[in-house]
Amino acid sequence: DVKVTQSSRYLVKRTGEKVFLECVQDMDHENMFWYRQDPGLGLRLIYFSYDVKMKEKGDIPEGYSVSREKKERFSLILESASTNQTSMYLCASRQGVVGEQYFGPGTRLTVT
Amino acid sequence: GQNIDQPTEMTATEGAIVQINCTYQTSGFNGLFWYQQHAGEAPTFLSYNVLDGLEEKGRFSSFLSRSKGYSYLLLKELQMKDSASYLCAVNNAGNMLTFGGGTRLMVKP
Repeated sequence: DVKVTQSSRYLVKRTGEKVFLECVQDMDHENMFWYRQDPGLGLRLIYFSYDVKMKEKGDIPEGYSVSREKKERFSLILESASTNQTSMYLCASRQGVVGEQYFGPGTRLTVT
Repeated sequence: GQNIDQPTEMTATEGAIVQINCTYQTSGFNGLFWYQQHAGEAPTFLSYNVLDGLEEKGRFSSFLSRSKGYSYLLLKELQMKDSASYLCAVNNAGNMLTFGGGTRLMVKP
């Protein structure tokens, strides 16, 4: 079974803090993704990576950056957290160009 | 632009059949996915359609019409555990997924 894990299920941070969200997959997948999920808006793609050290902006990259130093790990960074970044963050991985994405359990981030 | 529409909420009775519709307008099309997401959990894969027609998998079926930009997910013999959100997602020209807002299905006894 593919397993995608995320470092925290719940996180509370203050405005202006730097926040790291970690994601690890154990199936040697090439592609990894970060989404945020908000009520009524569905999942929106923040960043994705198709290889180590490679990254591409998704639909809503502003205020975020990512890091992929190892194939199994994809980190999302909020350089200076703001209240409008309060959301559920979901990581996913996929093998190949077309195919299902496997999701992690999500991190519910609250910025106060 | 990209636009995927699905109803926000639906209610159905245990044992019944429910159809969840999804219409889309996207830049390019490389298939359509349906995911199920229980509250507080990760989305899990249900189905993938890339050609027109019906794909059946147990109690769940998914239909696609590319010319109409339309898909539906059909759930038969509804069970209480089917209460969840159902997410429609299109694999676009860049092979990225664009999601609809999700349909929250409540199954009542």
